[in-house]
Amino acid sequence: RKEVEQDPGPFNVPEGATVAFNCTYSNSASQSFFWYRQDCRKEPKLLMSVYSSGNEDGRFTAQLNRASQYISLLIRDSKLSDSATYLCVVGLGFARQLTFGSGTQLTVLP
Amino acid sequence: SQTIHQWPATLVQPVGSPLSLECTVEGTSNPNLYWYRQAAGRGLQLLFYSVGIGQISSEVPQNLSASRPQDRQFILSSKKLLLSDSGFYLCAWSTPYSGSYNEQFFGPGTRLTVL
Repeated sequence: RKEVEQDPGPFNVPEGATVAFNCTYSNSASQSFFWYRQDCRKEPKLLMSVYSSGNEDGRFTAQLNRASQYISLLIRDSKLSDSATYLCVVGLGFARQLTFGSGTQLTVLP
Repeated sequence: SQTIHQWPATLVQPVGSPLSLECTVEGTSNPNLYWYRQAAGRGLQLLFYSVGIGQISSEVPQNLSASRPQDRQFILSSKKLLLSDSGFYLCAWSTPYSGSYNEQFFGPGTRLTVL
């Protein structure tokens, strides 16, 4: 079983749509949770940290369910510029080493 | 503000040749530093991390090594490259541990092709 599992997609959605990504992690001792986005052939960039109470940043909402070991990301009113691969990431350990999911590819269509 | 540099951006090397990739961070002190590799079509894999000068932890046994000769410098090396070493190498930094969340920030990466 992979440590962090995501639906690989691809997700193809029209502009303005709402899209949801889900992720599960296997290690119940995991301590920190993130969503990163990665554009083609570029480095990953932090989109948002995910807290137990859930958090929102503009059109993006992230939820964490520690009991189910489940993380989600909701993107509302999708823009063309949202097209990217979204990486679910879990941190654990003294140096908060990160384990990445293999990513979910999103294409927002005009 | 903090910035992270990696070089070279692209590298093509023959099998059996040595490797040295460098990463430097500006605008912060005593960062945690990390090396990741992303093979074509695959996810990121943590290779090494360091919490201080001369302190290196290895996550995956392989023919690569890492060193941290200065506080904000992290080097990835190999004595003899293998074909399987091809990939996108990314350096990242985070602030020293201060709680549960230590977001990591990535450099622009080095794309290595071993022929």
